[in-house]
Amino acid sequence: ETGVTQTPRHLVMGMTNKKSLKCEQHLGHNAMYWYKQSAKKPLELMFVYSLEERVENNSVPSRFSPECPNSSHLFLHLHTLQPEDSALYLCASSQAQSTGDTQYFGPGTRLTVL
Amino acid sequence: QKEVEQNSGPLSVPEGAIASLNCTYSDRGSQSFFWYRQYSGKSPELIMSIYSNGDKEDGRFTAQLNKASQYVSLLIRDSQPSDSATYLCAVKFWGGKLIFGQGTELSVKP
Repeated sequence: ETGVTQTPRHLVMGMTNKKSLKCEQHLGHNAMYWYKQSAKKPLELMFVYSLEERVENNSVPSRFSPECPNSSHLFLHLHTLQPEDSALYLCASSQAQSTGDTQYFGPGTRLTVL
Repeated sequence: QKEVEQNSGPLSVPEGAIASLNCTYSDRGSQSFFWYRQYSGKSPELIMSIYSNGDKEDGRFTAQLNKASQYVSLLIRDSQPSDSATYLCAVKFWGGKLIFGQGTELSVKP
C-alpha cells in the first residue's frame, strides 16, 4: 500500500447505526486530518491530529468522534447521524512543521445516511 | 468576505487553449499556497505548491502568486480534455489552518 488509504470506500447507514471510518497513511507523516466535502461546498476541516494529539476540533457535532491511536492511523467513529451528514469524507496527512506542510488525500469514503 | 474565493465556473475552453484559474484570499499573513485537481467522484490530488511571489512552472502548469494583491492563479497551457476537472485553491492561513476555496469547474472541449 502506498500513500493514504481509506476504508470503506462506500458506506450506507441508518440514523441509529454506529460505524467507523478508517484511514491509514504510509508516507511517514506526523499529522492527519478529517475533512467533509458536501456537494457544491468547500472542503470543511473537521479534525486535526498532530503527533497523535488532537489540535483542532472545528465545532463538529459530537456524533462524530475521532481517534488517532498512532501517527499512521486515524479513525472517525459515527453514531446517530443525520441525513445531512451524507457527504464524502476525506482523510489527509502531512509532515507538520515542514516547508509548506503539504497535505495528501486519501480516496475518501462516500457516506449515505438514510 | 469568503476566506478563499474562486469563481465556481464552469470555465469552458477549447482543446489546446490556455485555461486561467484565479483565486483570492483574505489573510495577508499567508505563506503557503496550493492547487489541487479533483475529478468527479475522486479525491483532491496536488498539482502545485507555491510560496514566493512570481511564477512557478511545472510542465504545462504555471502557478502565479502576488501576495500584495492576495491573489494566486493557475495557468494550464495546451489544455487537454483530460484536464477537465474541478480545481481547488488552498491557502495556509496564519496559525497553520489550510483553507480551501469552493473550486472552479474546468471543461476542455475537443
